[in-house]
Amino acid sequence: KAGVTQTPRYLIKTRGQQVTLSCSPISGHRSVSWYQQTPGQGLQFLFEYFSETQRNKGNFPGRFSGRQFSNSRSEMNVSTLELGDSALYLCASSVHNEQFFGPGTRLTVL
Amino acid sequence: AQTVTQSQPEMSVQEAETVTLSCTYDTSESNYYLFWYKQPPSRQMILVIRQEAYKQQNATENRFSVNFQKAAKSFSLKISDSQLGDTAMYFCAFMKPGAGSYQLTFGKGTKLSVIP
Repeated sequence: KAGVTQTPRYLIKTRGQQVTLSCSPISGHRSVSWYQQTPGQGLQFLFEYFSETQRNKGNFPGRFSGRQFSNSRSEMNVSTLELGDSALYLCASSVHNEQFFGPGTRLTVL
Repeated sequence: AQTVTQSQPEMSVQEAETVTLSCTYDTSESNYYLFWYKQPPSRQMILVIRQEAYKQQNATENRFSVNFQKAAKSFSLKISDSQLGDTAMYFCAFMKPGAGSYQLTFGKGTKLSVIP
């Protein structure tokens, strides 16, 4: 089976712009979670989607949003980018209480 | 809320030696899962080992084993016969099953360097 894929792998944006990241889960996995990884805060949970519904959300501002499509692919969107949003964004698909991670999208905000 | 603490920010070990990474956690739950993930310089997060809290037997995966002490809320990872490819960040993580959520709570990580 193919693993979790994330696109794009690298992204450079400027403050105030918005960005959309994409995640395709492992075939058959219906749950997709997103995490933000920074040197200062470590790995923090953003949100989780299951069958197109958000069923859990971390403590992030409303600028961070996501959605999931009927084929389980998920997108996350960050509006009005800030310098502090520079991070590695990891997506994970889940089944049977295990999460499998994608390679991440490295976002740099200038 | 659950918390996960890794008290060793950095560690090093000689190739072929054994090293133990520490992890403690705080929870009021009785049923949960614990994980160790490895993140090499490529940044790909890889599952190393998983432990279910209701299982008394410590999990083992080849050269990797855990010492799970439920009463002490401790979950350490032992790497035997360390190899250069074990050089990576290691994260301890907690998952509370139920309510259909797979959310993981991570520790801050331990950077492990294997020295030739």
